[in-house]
Amino acid sequence: DIVMTQSPDSLAVSLGERATINCKSSQSVLYSSDNKNYLTWYQQKPGQPPKLLIYWASTRESGVPDRFSGSGSGTDFTLTISSLQAEDVAVYYCQQYYTTPRTFGPGTKVDIK
Amino acid sequence: EVQLVESGGGLVQPGGSLRLSCAASGFTFNTYNMNWVRQAPGKGLEWIAYIGGSSSAIYYADSVKGRFTISRDNAKNSLYLQMNSLRAEDTAVYYCARDSLDPVPYDYWGQGTLVTVSS
Repeated sequence: DIVMTQSPDSLAVSLGERATINCKSSQSVLYSSDNKNYLTWYQQKPGQPPKLLIYWASTRESGVPDRFSGSGSGTDFTLTISSLQAEDVAVYYCQQYYTTPRTFGPGTKVDIK
Repeated sequence: EVQLVESGGGLVQPGGSLRLSCAASGFTFNTYNMNWVRQAPGKGLEWIAYIGGSSSAIYYADSVKGRFTISRDNAKNSLYLQMNSLRAEDTAVYYCARDSLDPVPYDYWGQGTLVTVSS
């Protein structure tokens, strides 16, 4: 199974500042035949189901604010919130869908400083 | 509007069984692959089962293989999870989640149903 790790476990950022979350996979999730990274990011607010933010590592889901961006390739990925808003307080998960089982990272909790 | 509504959760004793349902609406159900994902209280997300649109492809996480069965009834726009031999560690909120047509995982989620396994 591909093991997903995330860092940090939690972070607190001032409103309007940048938040950066890292995700690492134990093997590459870049599929050579289509040159796509099979990685998604989800946001989960308390008491709610997760919400898809980013897929193919860097493609923003429709309706997701452009302050959210994803980057990286192979085994190392980053989710960046360019200017943190109060409504961005949540836990963020990465997930690989390169192979079954689809595995999630443990999550990163983002709070306001 | 895409909607996924889970039902069937509740309190069950260890070793017992439960059947979860997910009613889908707002999209052509039989063209989408579907999943069950669970989340233990205060913990992270765990994918547990996948079923293709025609039920020809089915996969399970090792943690539930041999105990849980995923199925679907496309005529009823419904997804199911039959859970047998339940254990305390199966206590979680169970979400049904749709893959997009790309296919990207989990573009839509239900609100979840809580399963508690306890004596």
